[in-house]
Amino acid sequence: NAGVTQTPKFRILKIGQSMTLQCTQDMNHNYMYWYRQDPGMGLKLIYYSVGAGITDKGEVPNGYNVSRSTTEDFPLRLELAAPSQTSVYFCASSGRQGEVSNQPQHFGDGTRLSIL
Amino acid sequence: AQSVTQLDSQVPVFEEAPVELRCNYSSSVSVYLFWYVQYPNQGLQLLLKYLSGSTLVKGINGFEAEFNKSQTSFHLRKPSVHISDTAEYFCAVSGGTGRRALTFGSGTRLQVQP
Repeated sequence: NAGVTQTPKFRILKIGQSMTLQCTQDMNHNYMYWYRQDPGMGLKLIYYSVGAGITDKGEVPNGYNVSRSTTEDFPLRLELAAPSQTSVYFCASSGRQGEVSNQPQHFGDGTRLSIL
Repeated sequence: AQSVTQLDSQVPVFEEAPVELRCNYSSSVSVYLFWYVQYPNQGLQLLLKYLSGSTLVKGINGFEAEFNKSQTSFHLRKPSVHISDTAEYFCAVSGGTGRRALTFGSGTRLQVQP
């Protein structure tokens, strides 16, 4: 059971570089999310998607972009990396068609990103 | 708007002792409540959830939590902890509408000592 898979696990970027964090799920979930986790803090929502072709901003979207061309994939793009984006990024998914609301979210193992 | 407060950032406890991790929430709508555990360098794993029904919820690894609507609390308990329970614990709330995203507390680090 793969669940939610994130790649890469670790990455170091220079200021101004760009990169894409990959996330894929094999549970046929409609809802997908990107969170960031900073030391001593809970997770903050960056972007989310309620289905293929539909995305929307969360609490902290500045500096990021997403797309959802398929049900399985939900990549997160950093266009101009800044030191403030140093964090651990988690992708999560939940909910199949017809399920009652608020099924638990399943999380990937995270991507540790450092911007130097 | 929703918010979650975890009152203790760290909870040290001896092995085989009971533990309670506190969580309070605020929300203007009906909520769904979750506890997640995070082991070092890993993602979050669901411990238990409250969606509806009985206010006492049992989860994995011997944990349980009680939903108290009047006190807007969802405290996590375990009667006897093990060294392997050392981890970060997050309380989270979802409002049940639209995006269904979670609002997390800042986490409680449970440190089980021998």
